[in-house]
Amino acid sequence: QVLLQESGPGLVKPSQTLIVTCSVSRASIRTGGYYWSWVRQLPGKGLEWIGYIYYTGTSYYNPSLKSRVTISMDTSNDLFSLILTSVTAADTAVYYCARVVFGYDTLYYYYLDVWGKGTTVTVSS
Amino acid sequence: QPVLTQPPSVSGTPGQRVTISCSGSSSNVESNVVNWYQQLPGTAPKLLLYINNQRPSGVPDRFSGSKSGTSASLAISGLQSEDEALYYCAAWDGGLNGYVFGTGTKVTVL
Repeated sequence: QVLLQESGPGLVKPSQTLIVTCSVSRASIRTGGYYWSWVRQLPGKGLEWIGYIYYTGTSYYNPSLKSRVTISMDTSNDLFSLILTSVTAADTAVYYCARVVFGYDTLYYYYLDVWGKGTTVTVSS
Repeated sequence: QPVLTQPPSVSGTPGQRVTISCSGSSSNVESNVVNWYQQLPGTAPKLLLYINNQRPSGVPDRFSGSKSGTSASLAISGLQSEDEALYYCAAWDGGLNGYVFGTGTKVTVL
C-alpha cells in the first residue's frame, strides 16, 4: 500500500514563503494514472482543496489560491512539494498530501484515495 | 468556502440508521461523481465512498451512498461507536474548476 508522509517547517512568519514536502513510498510518482495533490484544513474548519500535479509536470490549482501556489515535483526521489507565498495567519492549517485517482467512464471521476497524516503549519511572528 | 452543504451534526443510537445529506448544484453534484470521506478524531481524512456509492476495500457495507439531481446522501446502517467521526462529501465543480468539499457533518453515537 502506498504511503505518503508530509514534512514542513511547523512555524512560518507572515509574508514569508511556506514549503511543505510530501514523500511517497511504495509507489512511484513517475507512474501515470494518478495526480498528486494537496489539501488543507484550517483550525476547526473543513477541508480545502489546493491543487494537484501530474508526473508530466502539469499542475492545476484552486482558483482562490492560484496566485500564491505552486506545486512542484522531484521524480527522482518521489517527492512533491507545495509552495505558498506571502502567507498570513489565514494560512495556518494542517496540510495534507494525497494521491488522486481520476478518469472518465460516462462521467468524469476524481477522488483522493490515499492520504498522508498531515503536517501542522502555523503562521505567526 | 465550501459550496456543498451538509448538516452540522447528526446523531443516533447504536444499531440505528442515520443519513447525511449533501446539497450542491448543477456544476458539481449533478454533473460529477460524489465521494465521501471519513475523518476520525485526530486523524487524516480517509476515503469512505467513491464514484457515488463504491466502497474501497475494507469499508464495511454498512456505509452506502446515493445521488439524485443536485443532492447526495450517505447512509450508515447499524450505527456503531467507531462511526463517531466527521464526514465530508466532495465533488469536482466544473463551474469553479476545482474539487470542492462539503461543510462536514459530525456523527455522534448516543
